[in-house]
Amino acid sequence: EAQVTQNPRYLITVTGKKLTVTCSQNMNHEYMSWYRQDPGLGLRQIYYSMNVEVTDKGDVPEGYKVSRKEKRNFPLILESPSPNQTSLYFCASSLGRANTEAFFGQGTRLTVV
Amino acid sequence: DQQVKQNSPSLSVQEGRISILNCDYTNSMFDYFLWYKKYPAEGPTFLISISSIKDKNEDGRFTVFLNKSAKHLSLHIVPSQPGDSAVYFCAAANQAGTALIFGKGTTLSVSS
Repeated sequence: EAQVTQNPRYLITVTGKKLTVTCSQNMNHEYMSWYRQDPGLGLRQIYYSMNVEVTDKGDVPEGYKVSRKEKRNFPLILESPSPNQTSLYFCASSLGRANTEAFFGQGTRLTVV
Repeated sequence: DQQVKQNSPSLSVQEGRISILNCDYTNSMFDYFLWYKKYPAEGPTFLISISSIKDKNEDGRFTVFLNKSAKHLSLHIVPSQPGDSAVYFCAAANQAGTALIFGKGTTLSVSS
């Protein structure tokens, strides 16, 4: 089954404790991206990757890092989480660029206290 | 400044009727538009898209209309079904194809 898998689905952490949210896709897609969804703000792009070892900032990259060492994986790293990073996070992948159909993961609900 | 706007946070429709969800954009350089549907506790799923060289695209009960001069697109669902109740996001792709810019979403409720 074609899918994008994120882990964990839910996470509560404390300010400053480094964490990683994993994202993996099994469709051999080149393009992957991270979004955060906040009430009243819709989905905003954090980082994207056009291919292995090619990553770039989206609209709201502050406080986040990513890496793309393999085509299937695109982890999101929060080196020192803060409460304003409490949000619902989605990973997405698509075969071509962002203007092609994107497949989204089920989301990670992160709470930073 | 918001580049993709969905000005109606919610819409209620009776089963069998038409649902019309609207979306406006400000950047004339956007050349591809997509609609995604999202159920609670799930990720968004792709619904339908339209290129800027077209003014209409149809897929079953779903039709998207694009009015470039007005920078406006709309999603029509006919007939609406209770299973269509979800949040609908309009998104625009930048010309480089590197980003999707989403609207804030419209919650559609279809009552039987």
